[in-house]
Amino acid sequence: QKEVEQNSGPLSVPEGAIASLNCTYSDRGSQSFFWYRQYSGKSPELIMSIYSNGDKEDGRFTAQLNKASQYVSLLIRDSQPSDSATYLCAPSGSARQLTFGSGTQLTVLP
Amino acid sequence: ETGVTQTPRHLVMGMTNKKSLKCEQHLGHNAMYWYKQSAKKPLELMFVYNFKEQTENNSVPSRFSPECPNSSHLFLHLHTLQPEDSALYLCASSQESVGYGYTFGSGTRLTVV
Repeated sequence: QKEVEQNSGPLSVPEGAIASLNCTYSDRGSQSFFWYRQYSGKSPELIMSIYSNGDKEDGRFTAQLNKASQYVSLLIRDSQPSDSATYLCAPSGSARQLTFGSGTQLTVLP
Repeated sequence: ETGVTQTPRHLVMGMTNKKSLKCEQHLGHNAMYWYKQSAKKPLELMFVYNFKEQTENNSVPSRFSPECPNSSHLFLHLHTLQPEDSALYLCASSQESVGYGYTFGSGTRLTVV
């Protein structure tokens, strides 16, 4: 079993729709959870962090965390073509390092 | 300069060359990382330094040699690389506690010919 699992996609949504990105993780000791956005040929950029069960909203982005289910998600409302990128899920592990998923490629269609 | 700066942005080298990648962070972080990202593959952790001490070496071939002279600077020395080593090499930094996530540099696109 992979430590961090994400659907590789590609996930395609029309402009203005909600994009839903999912992630499961295996390390029950994970305390901090991060979402990174990576445009093609560029480096990952931190867009959301979440530490407690429930929802955290920041603009058009909402992160959701359920530690009991070892599940974290990212919702992007009113998706724009500029949101087209690969989204990486990164929970912290018991070794106090981040473990990155392989990413979900999102395409927002105009 | 702010954030994490990597140089050079692009590098083409022959298999017999020796080159070095440089990373500098201006964030006051005390942990630094080297990652490799090949096309269509996930991030691969190579090396971790905490307070200048190497704390992880993920079975990286000896043709890659890291150096961390202080908490702000990190180097990756390269020699006798193979074409399969062509990739995007990313440096990142963080506080020793990962509660704030990692900040990545813009990366060095390496091509080995």
